[in-house]
Amino acid sequence: NAGVTQTPKFRILKIGQSMTLQCTQDMNHNYMYWYRQDPGMGLKLIYYSVGAGITDKGEVPNGYNVSRSTTEDFPLRLELAAPSQTSVYFCASSAWTGDLSNQPQHFGDGTRLSIL
Amino acid sequence: EDKVVQSPLSLVVHEGDTVTLNCSYEVTNFRSLLWYKQEKKAPTFLFMLTSSGIEKKSGRLSSILDKKELFSILNITATQTGDSAVYLCVLGGSQGNLIFGKGTKLSVKP
Repeated sequence: NAGVTQTPKFRILKIGQSMTLQCTQDMNHNYMYWYRQDPGMGLKLIYYSVGAGITDKGEVPNGYNVSRSTTEDFPLRLELAAPSQTSVYFCASSAWTGDLSNQPQHFGDGTRLSIL
Repeated sequence: EDKVVQSPLSLVVHEGDTVTLNCSYEVTNFRSLLWYKQEKKAPTFLFMLTSSGIEKKSGRLSSILDKKELFSILNITATQTGDSAVYLCVLGGSQGNLIFGKGTKLSVKP
């Protein structure tokens, strides 16, 4: 059971570089989410998607972009990396039950990103 | 603004002890409250509490929700070293997202 798979697990970027964090899930979940977790803090929502072709901003979307061309994949793009984006990034997915928040989310193992 | 506050932020106990982790919240429209366990990587789901399910139990772990006083507790009895983790209290948001508390770091000493 693969669940939610994130790649890469670790990455170091220079300021101004760009990169894409990959996330794929094999559970046929409609909902997918990107979170960031800073040291000593809870997770904060960056973007989410309720289905292929539909994305929406979360709490901290600035500096990021997403796309959802398929149900399985939800990549997160950083266009101009900044030190403030150093964090651990988690992708998650959940099934649609008709009530948006009454379904546990399944998380990937995270991507640890450092911007130097 | 929806908010989740957990206490204590960290806790050290010995194997066999019973611990209680606290979570208070503020929310405009309550939908659900979830507890997750986070070890080195991704959070793993423990419980979901809703208006129709305010008490949950699984083995040594149990949780209750008090919607009137706006708090939840997570109890762990007969703690083991494998219980060492960060425990996250999470509010189910109206957009299908989750609002996370900062977590309680539990360390169980042998």
